[in-house]
Amino acid sequence: GAVVSQHPSRVICKSGTSVKIECRSLDFQATTMFWYRQFPKQSLMLMATSNEGSKATYEQGVEKDKFLINHASLTLSTLTVTSAHPEDSSFYICSARVRGTVTEAFFGQGTRLTVV
Amino acid sequence: GQSLEQPSEVTAVEGAIVQINCTYQTSGFYGLSWYQQHDGGAPTFLSYNGLDGLEETGRFSSFLSRSDSYGYLLLQELQMKDSASYFCARNTNAGKSTFGDGTTLTVKP
Repeated sequence: GAVVSQHPSRVICKSGTSVKIECRSLDFQATTMFWYRQFPKQSLMLMATSNEGSKATYEQGVEKDKFLINHASLTLSTLTVTSAHPEDSSFYICSARVRGTVTEAFFGQGTRLTVV
Repeated sequence: GQSLEQPSEVTAVEGAIVQINCTYQTSGFYGLSWYQQHDGGAPTFLSYNGLDGLEETGRFSSFLSRSDSYGYLLLQELQMKDSASYFCARNTNAGKSTFGDGTTLTVKP
């Protein structure tokens, strides 16, 4: 199957700093990638849809100025958590589908963010 | 996941068969996916139903009934390693997925 690589897998940062998370499709092109957040024992909540070459589409209630998404190429999307607060501590996961498909989504390994 | 409902917990013994049900809202519905997630890991794809009927992949099968807005995941010959969370996800034709709250499956010896 297709591979999505997410980096870093774990990060600890201080309150007020920014953290960048990368999501790469290694062996396929992804015009669209999706960013999710998951709190312990809860579901995956879609934060935004990242579109190559255009602005991301954010879900209701997600602050676009706080969670900056850039999708500069067909294989890379980045999520930057700006001015991080302890309540931003969560598991962030990206996913992508092979271009032109709507069935199987391939997930990155996830990033465990801890803001102290 | 406010647009999908699935049981929160299921317990079964090794070798048994278990069925995890999922009902969903039809607005924008394109297909139903199932994912497995172990503690601390990322979700992995199990199965997808775009049309009514049964899809079989080894020990796992998934079923969809569009007229009933209902699907299920069937796990056969349960093994201890199948203990995990299972999510149904509603797909739109844009490829966006909305996840249910997940079902925690515990397999006992």
